[in-house]
Amino acid sequence: DAKTTQPPSMDCAEGRAANLPCNHSTISGNEYVYWYRQIHSQGPQYIIHGLKNNETNEMASLIITEDRKSSTLILPHATLRDTAVYYCIVRVEAGKLIFGQGTTLQVKP
Amino acid sequence: KAGVTQTPRYLIKTRGQQVTLSCSPISGHRSVSWYQQTPGQGLQFLFEYFSETQRNKGNFPGRFSGRQFSNSRSEMNVSTLELGDSALYLCASSFLAGGPGELFFGEGSRLTVL
Repeated sequence: DAKTTQPPSMDCAEGRAANLPCNHSTISGNEYVYWYRQIHSQGPQYIIHGLKNNETNEMASLIITEDRKSSTLILPHATLRDTAVYYCIVRVEAGKLIFGQGTTLQVKP
Repeated sequence: KAGVTQTPRYLIKTRGQQVTLSCSPISGHRSVSWYQQTPGQGLQFLFEYFSETQRNKGNFPGRFSGRQFSNSRSEMNVSTLELGDSALYLCASSFLAGGPGELFFGEGSRLTVL
């Protein structure tokens, strides 16, 4: 019952911006959008989250459309270490994240 | 600050046995949640504890149980192990339950059931 849709895989050239899209057309007004990533065999790592406004931190930027039905995670200068599975999640309840299949991002030299 | 610590990191059990996994959250974090990750099903929510109370539970059979202690450390137990229980079990902690804060995940306990 994942509430988000992401492309299964994407490629990006090293040093270029990686733009990862996510659709969450059934999102409710008070639900946050979260992004996590998982590098092979490690625990998921938090990247960023937002409600309505665009957000930026040291790792990435999150652009949420005005109707909140979709968002884009931007890694401004992708490196080989950014190769991972990226999960877009709409937070359902306390401590409970519903993970979809995510997008496998392959950063290529 | 130390991260989320899970023990053991790897373990092998046989069908019918039981297993207990441990999770020590980040100091000051009171919410602990557990997830199962398998190649076929991906990451699935098991349960979440806050202040020693289970506040949320995923769609897993009763063989999967957990508890949280007064120091916020948590354990999960799987009884009567089945081959399909082979998975990476991940624990995550957060400061609050219900707030918009991030979850911090441990490295996981990889269980193999033979």
